[in-house]
Amino acid sequence: DAGVIQSPRHEVTEMGQEVTLRCKPISGHNSLFWYRQTMMRGLELLIYFNNNVPIDDSGMPEDRFSAKMPNASFSTLKIQPSEPRDSAVYFCASSQGHLALRDTQYFGPGTRLTVL
Amino acid sequence: DAKTTQPPSMDCAEGRAANLPCNHSTISGNEYVYWYRQIHSQGPQYIIHGLKNNETNEMASLIITEDRKSSTLILPHATLRDTAVYYCIATQTGANNLFFGTGTRLTVIP
Repeated sequence: DAGVIQSPRHEVTEMGQEVTLRCKPISGHNSLFWYRQTMMRGLELLIYFNNNVPIDDSGMPEDRFSAKMPNASFSTLKIQPSEPRDSAVYFCASSQGHLALRDTQYFGPGTRLTVL
Repeated sequence: DAKTTQPPSMDCAEGRAANLPCNHSTISGNEYVYWYRQIHSQGPQYIIHGLKNNETNEMASLIITEDRKSSTLILPHATLRDTAVYYCIATQTGANNLFFGTGTRLTVIP
């Protein structure tokens, strides 16, 4: 099992550019989570999907952020336009759990985003 | 989710047991205690979880007090690769938001 796969691992962009982060969850997992980690705020949940449907996006900072899950094996997190304060490590995680059951989350290696 | 309190940092000698405490005095009956760790520059890694009974797996043991107000994660023979930030999370079944807090930074010393 390859685990959760994220790409790119590192992204450096300039303010105002569009950034797209990608995630492939573990096969057979039906919940997917996007987190952001900064020194100031620690790990924060941005959004999670269950069976490809967004369930809770209350952590998405603002309209510049959007996430999609077109199928069970792929999700994207897009920032448009990007700002320097978006610089962080973005993690994707997946789990087997469904809405009624808490389950272990498996994290990817993260994407380190730097917005200049 | 119940609030958890952990010491900010701990040291442990290599080969010795590392005992990481966590206080969750407001935990409710249906909240589990989860432990994750994050090694530098990696994503968080699940370690163990429990409700009220002590649990053991290949990575660690979890000891939960009878009143469930606190717990201890035990790494029986710490190695240098166990140096990481350890997060204790108390969370309800059915919820999906893991609140990681600031955790305990464990440094294993050779």
